[in-house]
Amino acid sequence: DTGVSQDPRHKITKRGQNVTFRCDPISEHNRLYWYRQTLGQGPEFLTYFQNEAQLEKSRLLSDRFSAERPKGSFSTLEIQRTEQGDSAMYLCASSLSARGSGSPLHFGNGTRLTVT
Amino acid sequence: SQQGEEDPQALSIQEGENATMNCSYKTSINNLQWYRQNSGRGLVHLILIRSNEREKHSGRLRVTLDTSKKSSSLLITASRAADTASYFCATRKETSGSRLTFGEGTQLTVNP
Repeated sequence: DTGVSQDPRHKITKRGQNVTFRCDPISEHNRLYWYRQTLGQGPEFLTYFQNEAQLEKSRLLSDRFSAERPKGSFSTLEIQRTEQGDSAMYLCASSLSARGSGSPLHFGNGTRLTVT
Repeated sequence: SQQGEEDPQALSIQEGENATMNCSYKTSINNLQWYRQNSGRGLVHLILIRSNEREKHSGRLRVTLDTSKKSSSLLITASRAADTASYFCATRKETSGSRLTFGEGTQLTVNP
């Protein structure tokens, strides 16, 4: 399977704990995105990377969230001191940068986080 | 707030009927994309229309874009039960680099 893969699929954690999610993009894609989605809502942009550089970060992203893409391949998203409001589906997507007006995103199946 | 807003929020039709979903947005865009999401899964890209295009077709999908009204529509013809999913429009603003901003989505149910 050469699609975007995310691990784990589900994570249940207690409030105050730290969690880390991993995303493996499509291998030739240089852009990687993280989104958060709550039930009944559209995906909300968190951050994106071009290669290993984090080029944009949402103002909604608190300092408890950090994302890395150390070698320009896989990425991790860490949430420190989790809160119940962090419960959501965390989606990763990748794409190829393209000249002109953009290229589509390829999404993984997400990591569903439940904070108890 | 989200850039795109879909209308209706929910749509229920019979198999074989056509389904039309609308999307409105607020600022100038480079392109507008439609995605589909089955329950508990990631989103799947359906079609991309650039700001200088007015209409695009892909199989049973037809997308229109009216930049003067800042709106788009997605038409699914001859719907099937397997089309049941949430559909989202997403826009890439002229000034936002690579960020893709999604609307709230339309939940489509196609009854067999």
